[in-house]
Amino acid sequence: EIVLTQSPATLSLSPGERATLSCRASQSVSSYLAWYQQKPGQAPRLLIYDASNRATGIPARFSGSGSGTDFTLTISSLEPEDFAVYYCQQRSNWPQSFGQGTKLEIK
Amino acid sequence: QVQLVQSGAEVKKPGASVKVSCKASGYTFTSYGISWVRQAPGQGLEWMGWISAYNGNTNYAQKLQGRVTMTTDTSTSTAYMELRSLRSDDTAVYYCARDEEAAAVLWGQGTLVTVSS
Repeated sequence: EIVLTQSPATLSLSPGERATLSCRASQSVSSYLAWYQQKPGQAPRLLIYDASNRATGIPARFSGSGSGTDFTLTISSLEPEDFAVYYCQQRSNWPQSFGQGTKLEIK
Repeated sequence: QVQLVQSGAEVKKPGASVKVSCKASGYTFTSYGISWVRQAPGQGLEWMGWISAYNGNTNYAQKLQGRVTMTTDTSTSTAYMELRSLRSDDTAVYYCARDEEAAAVLWGQGTLVTVSS
């Protein structure tokens, strides 16, 4: 089973700053990695699929990069609505798995 | 419109079973798989399993093997997730999601299952 480790657990930043979130896999997942955003009381929302492709309707300030075992989600300039929890998910092997999440909070 | 609508909240006693439904509309049900994901209170997302709405093939998380069964009814475009021998740590919000090749794009609203004596 592939384990995804996200860092940091919590990231405290101000609106307008750049956010860099990391996801590391215990073995290669090629580019089969997705990123989701979740706000309290809501279902997750897909942001990025196949490591670097933005989902429909996702603003350009969100970008994903990486392949193999190391991946990054970058938010170029934080908007107030971006403060949420972010999860990575690998879809390379069964069983699929999620990282434990990074909480992006307002500083 | 394209959506997944889940059944309502459930309260169950330890040892009981629960069956959550997920009704799809607005798209061809058999063209996609359905994933089930749960989230315990204050915790992260946990992948539970996947079912092909086309042929009923399944993949389950190892920790749930033997307790979970995922099925579909193509006549009503509905997916089901049954979890047996419920324990207190099964208390969670259960989500279904339309599983496309690269990601889960469309999600249900979630169903809270509370296990309590």
